[in-house]
Amino acid sequence: DGGITQSPKYLFRKEGQNVTLSCEQNLNHDAMYWYRQDPGQGLRLIYYSQIVNDFQKGDIAEGYSVSREKKESFPLTVTSAQKNPTAFYLCASSISRKVGEQYFGPGTRLTVT
Amino acid sequence: AQTVTQSQPEMSVQEAETVTLSCTYDTSENNYYLFWYKQPPSRQMILVIRQEAYKQQNATENRFSVNFQKAAKSFSLKISDSQLGDTAMYFCAFMKGRDDKIIFGKGTRLHILP
Repeated sequence: DGGITQSPKYLFRKEGQNVTLSCEQNLNHDAMYWYRQDPGQGLRLIYYSQIVNDFQKGDIAEGYSVSREKKESFPLTVTSAQKNPTAFYLCASSISRKVGEQYFGPGTRLTVT
Repeated sequence: AQTVTQSQPEMSVQEAETVTLSCTYDTSENNYYLFWYKQPPSRQMILVIRQEAYKQQNATENRFSVNFQKAAKSFSLKISDSQLGDTAMYFCAFMKGRDDKIIFGKGTRLHILP
């Protein structure tokens, strides 16, 4: 089945450690996105990539980094510079001809203590 | 900057009733898209319905329909014959032109009661 996978579902880290969240899609979509979801805040865009080897900052990119070496993969690294990393992280992808129709993964809940 | 406002943080309705979720947005653009996304308790986001601003006809997907009032910048979602599986967080969202960035509202938590 085609879709987006994010692993793991729950992730725990100590403060000061970098952590990488995985996002893989087999939908052959060109564009991929990372969102952060906090209670009462909706979804906020961290980074997005429209093509391999290219990505742009979203609204809250500080403390995060990404790479897009393969079309299928868009990992997100939460660095120790991110002041409030505990959140629910959603990855999404889209195909350019279906404007705005983003397909989402199941999400990763990151807890940093 | 574009903004999306959902004024109802939480709503509850009885099963089989009709419910309307409100959304307003602010933009100076003429070419844009509007969406309603659903996030059930599993937290997997799903696109419910999409509306192109240049289309006057309101979008409909089975029991889901929208009331798009372009001049008023209003985009409400109507769920007819509500079902228990409609219990979810609903997000209104906006996208400018063919820009890949979607702006989400803060969501309305909808409870369908048996």
